[in-house]
Amino acid sequence: AQTVTQSQPEMSVQEAETVTLSCTYDTSENNYYLFWYKQPPSRQMILVIRQEAYKQQNATENRFSVNFQKAAKSFSLKISDSQLGDTAMYFCAFMKLGGSQGNLIFGKGTKLSVKP
Amino acid sequence: GAGVSQTPSNKVTEKGKYVELRCDPISGHTALYWYRQSLGQGPEFLIYFQGTGAADDSGLPNDRFFAVRPEGSVSTLKIQRTERGDSAVYLCASSFGPNTGELFFGEGSRLTVL
Repeated sequence: AQTVTQSQPEMSVQEAETVTLSCTYDTSENNYYLFWYKQPPSRQMILVIRQEAYKQQNATENRFSVNFQKAAKSFSLKISDSQLGDTAMYFCAFMKLGGSQGNLIFGKGTKLSVKP
Repeated sequence: GAGVSQTPSNKVTEKGKYVELRCDPISGHTALYWYRQSLGQGPEFLIYFQGTGAADDSGLPNDRFFAVRPEGSVSTLKIQRTERGDSAVYLCASSFGPNTGELFFGEGSRLTVL
């Protein structure tokens, strides 16, 4: 069975600074996707970034980038130039390819607070 | 509407009662998912529909939980004989198709069982 671990329950960062959220996972699968989802207070969860395990290049989306270390089973999220709107719960998630589509396995989340 | 709509947003019920939670996905999305999020936890997969059929219901915790999607659009999650441990936020999500992992979530239905 796959597991996703987020070891930082809460983090804070000053506006305009950079912060890195950690995620590790455990799987025996070789083909999978990894995701970071953001859940702002009282709002719906949205996809931030996705990484295909077969790609060596780290995914980037504007101010968001990942450090994907497949051998170490590590998938951290870096947020550059943090903004107040980045305040949210961040969930790391794993999805096996070829299995049940949509059966994402989520970590417990990291609560990020961006301070002015 | 433009997004995934879930009703009710809040539901308080008594132990033993029957509850229905409704999800209206984004128009054109063929895949629909139900997740449950307990306090302090990440979402937990319950069931996935592709069209009208349940493609994977392996996450339903027991036979008190059931979901339908009769016309391939709106879905209803049904919980019989509710228990206090069923209290959680029930999230619905939809996607254009399978295997992308890009799910569009609703705001959830918060269920409280007294």
